[in-house]
Amino acid sequence: RKEVEQDPGPFNVPEGATVAFNCTYSNSASQSFFWYRQDCRKEPKLLMSVYSSGNEDGRFTAQLNRASQYISLLIRDSKLSDSATYLCVVGNGGFKTIFGAGTRLFVKA
Amino acid sequence: DTAVSQTPKYLVTQMGNDKSIKCEQNLGHDTMYWYKQDSKKFLKIMFSYNNKELIINETVPNRFSPKSPDKAHLNLHINSLELGDSAVYFCASSQRAGEIQETQYFGPGTRLLVL
Repeated sequence: RKEVEQDPGPFNVPEGATVAFNCTYSNSASQSFFWYRQDCRKEPKLLMSVYSSGNEDGRFTAQLNRASQYISLLIRDSKLSDSATYLCVVGNGGFKTIFGAGTRLFVKA
Repeated sequence: DTAVSQTPKYLVTQMGNDKSIKCEQNLGHDTMYWYKQDSKKFLKIMFSYNNKELIINETVPNRFSPKSPDKAHLNLHINSLELGDSAVYFCASSQRAGEIQETQYFGPGTRLLVL
């Protein structure tokens, strides 16, 4: 089983749609959780950290379920500019960060 | 001002050659990383340095040798390049790392093609 697993997609959605991504992780001792965004031929950039209580940043909502060991990202009112690959990232302590393989999102006009 | 910079941006070379990639961060961070992203876009950690000390060495062939002359620089030297080394190499930094990971800031990547 991979340490961090994501559905690779692609997710093809129209503008204005709501889309959700899930990610599962295998290490129950994981301490920190993030969603990064990577545009084509660019570097990954932090989208948001994920906190135990869940957190929201504008159109983006992240949730953490420690019992089931999954993280989710919800994007509301999708924009064309949201098209990218979304990377689920888990920190396992000891300086080690595990990146998921990413979920590709295409938002169409 | 570029926070994390890498040179070169593109590197095309022959099998068997030795090459280096340089990374610099001006964020005052303590921790720096090298990642490899292969053709399947999977981003995998190779090395991590904290205050110039090697912290993580993830089963990378010893043809790869990182060097951190100071906290702001982490270079990657690759000996005897092989076809399978072709990938995008990302440098990253974070304020510090330990039991709780912090946000990592990535450089623009170095696209290495071994012919």
